[in-house]
Amino acid sequence: GAVVSQHPSWVICKSGTSVKIECRSLDFQATTMFWYRQFPKQSLMLMATSNEGSKATYEQGVEKDKFLINHASLTLSTLTVTSAHPEDSSFYICSARAVNEQYFGPGTRLTVT
Amino acid sequence: DQQVKQNSPSLSVQEGRISILNCDYTNSMFDYFLWYKKYPAEGPTFLISISSIKDKNEDGRFTVFLNKSAKHLSLHIVPSQPGDSAVYFCAASARTGFQKLVFGTGTRLLVSP
Repeated sequence: GAVVSQHPSWVICKSGTSVKIECRSLDFQATTMFWYRQFPKQSLMLMATSNEGSKATYEQGVEKDKFLINHASLTLSTLTVTSAHPEDSSFYICSARAVNEQYFGPGTRLTVT
Repeated sequence: DQQVKQNSPSLSVQEGRISILNCDYTNSMFDYFLWYKKYPAEGPTFLISISSIKDKNEDGRFTVFLNKSAKHLSLHIVPSQPGDSAVYFCAASARTGFQKLVFGTGTRLLVSP
């Protein structure tokens, strides 16, 4: 099956710094990737849709200047959390679309101190 | 506004018995539904899906039933196995937002030997 990787799997950063999370489709090309976040014991919430070569589409309430998304190639999308604050601490999950399926990465645990 | 709801946060079942996980939705535009299995600190794994043109889809031990008039779907696992213990999310998408998934809040299934 299709494999999606994320790096890093967990990261701790200080408040005010920026953190970049990578999402890669390892054995297929993905024109569309999605970024979700999940708070403890809550649902996965879609943050944005990332299309290769174009600007990401953000969901209502998600700050595009805070969560920068870049989808520069068919196998890589990045999410940069800028000027991170403790409330940004969460589990971030990406997924990549292949034909009619969506494959999820293993997630990245971000802790902002 | 939670468009996809899983009202049971947890379910305990004995090994060999049937597990029934329920999901309700409010958006009548949803026409494709999926079930995912998720372990802590991991991304969701696709289990089974169903299109709104069907009312049942079966794959091995997993069967999904869809009742469009009630806006309700359920996942049946039979026989349940201890390895099925995980959090199960239902998700829905609408044709106009293809592959843009709205997730439920999840149900934690515990299958005891």
